Amino acid sequence: QVQLQESGPGLVKPSDTLSLTCAVSGYSVNSRVWWGWIRQPPGKGLEWIGYLFYTGSFYYSPSLESRLTMSLDTAKNQISLKLRSVTAVDTAVYYCARIRVPEAAFDYWGPGMLVTVAS
Amino acid sequence: QSALTQPASVSGSPGQSITISCTGTSSDIGHYNYVSWYQQHPGKAPKLIIYEVSNRPSGVSSRFSGFKSGHTASLTISGLQPEDEADYYCSSYTSSTTLAVLGGGTKLTVL
Repeated sequence: QVQLQESGPGLVKPSDTLSLTCAVSGYSVNSRVWWGWIRQPPGKGLEWIGYLFYTGSFYYSPSLESRLTMSLDTAKNQISLKLRSVTAVDTAVYYCARIRVPEAAFDYWGPGMLVTVAS
Repeated sequence: QSALTQPASVSGSPGQSITISCTGTSSDIGHYNYVSWYQQHPGKAPKLIIYEVSNRPSGVSSRFSGFKSGHTASLTISGLQPEDEADYYCSSYTSSTTLAVLGGGTKLTVL
């Protein structure tokens, strides 16, 4: 079955770069779906970060796009997220998700990873 | 501020039915039958429970149902059970400047 698993440092210093990967098993990242990163600050709702199509097309959240890079690694079957110049407001649980076309349903999610920005 | 509007909280007693609304615009809910709903228990990832307005993925209880009218979608949970207490989010495909928009979430309390 399809499984997603986020990984990366759980603690990042202010002004550093937050780097996460999402390993996908049971499905090829090079298939006709979107892949998304979504985050959830403690006690708050879901916030979309960006969406990446298997062709390389993407949408980035306007509030994050100047600091954000998402990419697909077909050799490792994973997607990655880099968020530069982080501050405390970037502290959140970060989720990756598969998004079906055309209905844009987020049908598989990783368990999430808490990333804390602190010195 | 979320693109889709949901009530912050709803509540109901076991056995009752509740409905959660999700209001969008003509760029999303009002134009496409691509509304999804998610259930999130504390400390867990969201889980897809409704897609394409009213379809349930395999394994999701028939107590969950979805509907859409105009720019507003709704999720109804019938025969409330204690394990239904969770946060619920809606999403929709959009023709706006992104792929999909999310709701702010609704906390369901089972009294």
